[in-house]
Parts: sequence; structure tokens; C-alpha cells
Amino acid sequence: DTAVSQTPKYLVTQMGNDKSIKCEQNLGHDTMYWYKQDSKKFLKIMFSYNNKELIINETVPNRFSPKSPDKAHLNLHINSLELGDSAVYFCASRQISGNTIYFGEGSWLTVV
Amino acid sequence: QKEVEQNSGPLSVPEGAIASLNCTYSDRGSQSFFWYRQYSGKSPELIMFIYSNGDKEDGRFTAQLNKASQYVSLLIRDSQPSDSATYLCATPGRGGADGLTFGKGTHLIIQP
Repeated sequence: DTAVSQTPKYLVTQMGNDKSIKCEQNLGHDTMYWYKQDSKKFLKIMFSYNNKELIINETVPNRFSPKSPDKAHLNLHINSLELGDSAVYFCASRQISGNTIYFGEGSWLTVV
Repeated sequence: QKEVEQNSGPLSVPEGAIASLNCTYSDRGSQSFFWYRQYSGKSPELIMFIYSNGDKEDGRFTAQLNKASQYVSLLIRDSQPSDSATYLCATPGRGGADGLTFGKGTHLIIQP
């Protein structure tokens, strides 16, 4: 039973489209994240949510809109996709009092 | 803005030797450090974390922290080909719900 699950795993789409990536964690954690890993493998935080509230919004274009319907879910919607959005997007979670961040398997987004 | 620096490599080590991975950080207030391993096409997975100055051992892995020099390292003894991966050093962000700030990772190759 996967702890942090993301869908879809692979997504190929055209520039200008709108797409969503869904994430669910069954660990009972109260904090969830979206990370982006670019072609050079640099892993950078995009958003952090604690108990459905946005805590961090790094310098991410407002075309990216996270939504957390409940503590176990954090979805990422991307409007007007650009070539530079091509990357691997990782969802992650942890208990705020804990040490370990658990990552989902990643969603490979390719914009053509 | 916290920064974590790593040499991207590749670092090539013969099988059975000790692999030494290094990381420096900019924020003297950083208290804890995490080492993640990422195989190609997979998500990062936690190897170990360290809070205190000195060494922390877990099996073939030893993490070393020197807060005065702002330096963290990971030693892998008796390196195996299965250790070939990218190793990411990370430290927590500003607040409790902050995610980890990652270095760009070191690509390690264990030569049989």
C-alpha cells in the first residue's frame, strides 16, 4: 500500500494546456509538499501545506495553483503550460513533529 | 535563504572502497541535516539524518557533522554497485512546516 501516491505518473501535453497532478498520502501526516526536479536533477520546494493551510509559496509562477481539500490530499493544477514546466514533480509529506519527509514516486511532465 | 552546496560529480569509486560525499551549508543556524539517495528515475529516499556534531553510524553509512566548519559528509564503507545513485544533502527551512532545502546532489558511481 503506497504511502504517498501521485497520479498521473507520466503526462505529455501541449503548450498552453491546463493539467492537474493529484497526490494522496495515507500516513496520517499533517504537512504536505510539492517539489519540482528539473533536468539537472535540482530538487526545489514549490509549496508547503500544513493542515490544509498554505505555509510556503516559493517563487513559483501563479499559473501553478495547489489545492488541499483535506490533510491527506494536495493537488497541483497548472494553467497555460510552458516548455519550461517540463520536469518531475514530487509530492511529499511528513508529520510536523517528525524528521522524515516521504516522497511520492513522482510525476513526469513533458510539455511539447 | 539557506543554501546547500554539493559537488555534482560524478564521483567514481571502486567496489569495496569507501565513498566520501561532502556537503557545505551557508546558514550557521542550521541544526539538522539529511542524506537522501535517489536512483535514476526514482524518488528520493532517506538514508539518515544527523543533528549533533561528530559521527553517526548506521550500518555501512556514517554521517559526519562539523558545525564550526559548516560541513556535512556521508561515508559509505564497502561500496557496492547498488550504491550507485545520486546522493542529496538537505537541511530544514525556516519554520516547522517548511520543507527541506536540498543541494544539487552528487552522482556516485561504484565501479565493479
